[in-house]
Amino acid sequence: DTGVSQDPRHKITKRGQNVTFRCDPISEHNRLYWYRQTLGQGPEFLTYFQNEAQLEKSRLLSDRFSAERPKGSFSTLEIQRTEQGDSAMYLCASSPVEGNQPQHFGDGTRLSIL
Amino acid sequence: AQSVSQHNHHVILSEAASLELGCNYSYGGTVNLFWYVQYPGQHLQLLLKYFSGDPLVKGIKGFEAEFIKSKFSFNLRKPSVQWSDTAEYFCAVFSGTYKYIFGTGTRLKVLA
Repeated sequence: DTGVSQDPRHKITKRGQNVTFRCDPISEHNRLYWYRQTLGQGPEFLTYFQNEAQLEKSRLLSDRFSAERPKGSFSTLEIQRTEQGDSAMYLCASSPVEGNQPQHFGDGTRLSIL
Repeated sequence: AQSVSQHNHHVILSEAASLELGCNYSYGGTVNLFWYVQYPGQHLQLLLKYFSGDPLVKGIKGFEAEFIKSKFSFNLRKPSVQWSDTAEYFCAVFSGTYKYIFGTGTRLKVLA
């Protein structure tokens, strides 16, 4: 079990720049989730994929945010025209499709907007 | 809207003290309940889960949780904490609509 891998671990960028994060889930997991976590809060759901299909998006995911999972394996989360409020930890999690199995989380990507 | 409340944001205990962390959720249907732990510098890890059956579930490292349906609660307990239990603890609910809803977390510090 290689676990869920996220890249990069840290990203520092200037306001207005675009950023892209990558998540590699556990290989046999069909479900993939993106969350955002800010200080003092629990993870907040952003979006969910089952294989390559994006089945749900949170209202937190403004039109500056886009996520893809083109081949049903790795996923990317892109934020365009970053704002100060985008500073957070972005978490990826995956789980098997069978039943309501618990999620396995990656270490996250910490985004800091200057 | 579904929500999860964790009433204790910070807890400080001495080693060997007993622990109980509260978790209440708001959802009227069937739920699956989880506790996750995040040790300093590490990713979220599953501590225990409840799907159905015995409402008292046991997890790793001596933790247990009790599901009380009438109270919409899923409190986490440990009879005797250790310094290594210092971490942040998150309660989460899965209601079958793909989304997991997490509480705000409880930061536990155990004094050696």
